[in-house]
Amino acid sequence: KAGVTQTPRYLIKTRGQQVTLSCSPISGHRSVSWYQQTPGQGLQFLFEYFSETQRNKGNFPGRFSGRQFSNSRSEMNVSTLELGDSALYLCASSPELLETQYFGPGTRLLVL
Amino acid sequence: AQKVTQAQTEISVVEKEDVTLDCVYETRDTTYYLFWYKQPPSGELVFLIRRNSFDEQNEISGRYSWNFQKSTSSFNFTITASQVVDSAVYFCALSEEGNTPLVFGKGTRLSVIA
Repeated sequence: KAGVTQTPRYLIKTRGQQVTLSCSPISGHRSVSWYQQTPGQGLQFLFEYFSETQRNKGNFPGRFSGRQFSNSRSEMNVSTLELGDSALYLCASSPELLETQYFGPGTRLLVL
Repeated sequence: AQKVTQAQTEISVVEKEDVTLDCVYETRDTTYYLFWYKQPPSGELVFLIRRNSFDEQNEISGRYSWNFQKSTSSFNFTITASQVVDSAVYFCALSEEGNTPLVFGKGTRLSVIA
């Protein structure tokens, strides 16, 4: 079975721009979660989606948003990028809610 | 509030040595889950183990073993006869009953030197 895939793998943007990251979960997995990883803050939870509904949201500003489609694929969007948004964004999927999460390779975002 | 502490920031060992990575957690829930993930330089988090709070039995998987002690709120991870391929950052994580989001520790960077 193919693992979680994330596109793009690397991205360079400038301050003020917006960005959309994509995540395709493992086939059959219905829950998708997003995490941000930075050297200073470590791994922090962004959102969780299940059946196209946001189930949980972490403590991030409204510039961070996401959605899930009917095929369980998910996207997250960051508007008005700031330098501090530079991070590795990791997507994880699980078969159902509350089950083990399996992570993708991440998208490395650099904001200049 | 939930919290995971990995006090060891970096550990360096010589190949074939045994090494233990410490994890201490805090939670008010009686039902919770503990995890270990490995992050090699490629960046992907690789799932290693999940444990629920009612199962304190130690687990061994090949060269890996885990020691869960509720009395000390610890979930330590031991690698026996370490290998260079074990070099990575290892994260301990916690999720509470009914709540999927993982709370991660800061990670321990393990370097195994040949």
